[in-house]
Amino acid sequence: DTGVSQNPRHKITKRGQNVTFRCDPISEHNRLYWYRQTLGQGPEFLTYFQNEAQLEKSRLLSDRFSAERPKGSFSTLEIQRTEQGDSAMYLCASSLDLGVNYGYTFGSGTRLTVV
Amino acid sequence: AQKITQTQPGMFVQEKEAVTLDCTYDTSDQSYGLFWYKQPSSGEMIFLIYQGSYDEQNATEGRYSLNFQKARKSANLVISASQLGDSAMYFCAMSQGGSQGNLIFGKGTKLSVKP
Repeated sequence: DTGVSQNPRHKITKRGQNVTFRCDPISEHNRLYWYRQTLGQGPEFLTYFQNEAQLEKSRLLSDRFSAERPKGSFSTLEIQRTEQGDSAMYLCASSLDLGVNYGYTFGSGTRLTVV
Repeated sequence: AQKITQTQPGMFVQEKEAVTLDCTYDTSDQSYGLFWYKQPSSGEMIFLIYQGSYDEQNATEGRYSLNFQKARKSANLVISASQLGDSAMYFCAMSQGGSQGNLIFGKGTKLSVKP
């Protein structure tokens, strides 16, 4: 499978708990992005990595959120002390750093429900 | 600030007919990219078509074409010969600077294809 893989597909957690999501990008892609999508909205940018460096963060990424890409391959997104407002689909995407080409490749997302 | 507007929350089309999904954008950048993605109920964002701001010809990819009107800041998606499998959410998105930085998405249009 050469696509972007995200795990888990679904996560239900109690408010206040910590959760961690994983994204495995396409192996030759050096850029990796995280987006959040709430019901009825388009995806909103959270952060992105070029290799292992986190180059940009959105203001949406509060201090409860942290993302890593330790070896420039897979990435994790952790949410601490989850709140009900964190319930959303979290999408990961990867791309080659070749400027304009054919867009990102997205994973199927992790749907988080905070109860 | 950059913005993508999709004014059609939902659209219906008869199988085998053509349909146009509207997208307007706002940016002060001279160089930018415009994308369309399809999101079926499974959640994955599927890349459909790309148009660069300096491209003089409208982009085409199989049954998809992008009607790019730069002066009007519109980038409508045309799907010809609709198929039942085209039923999904469709998102218009814009990247900054014509390269693959983060994407800004519209709210999407839900397309339903009727047999």
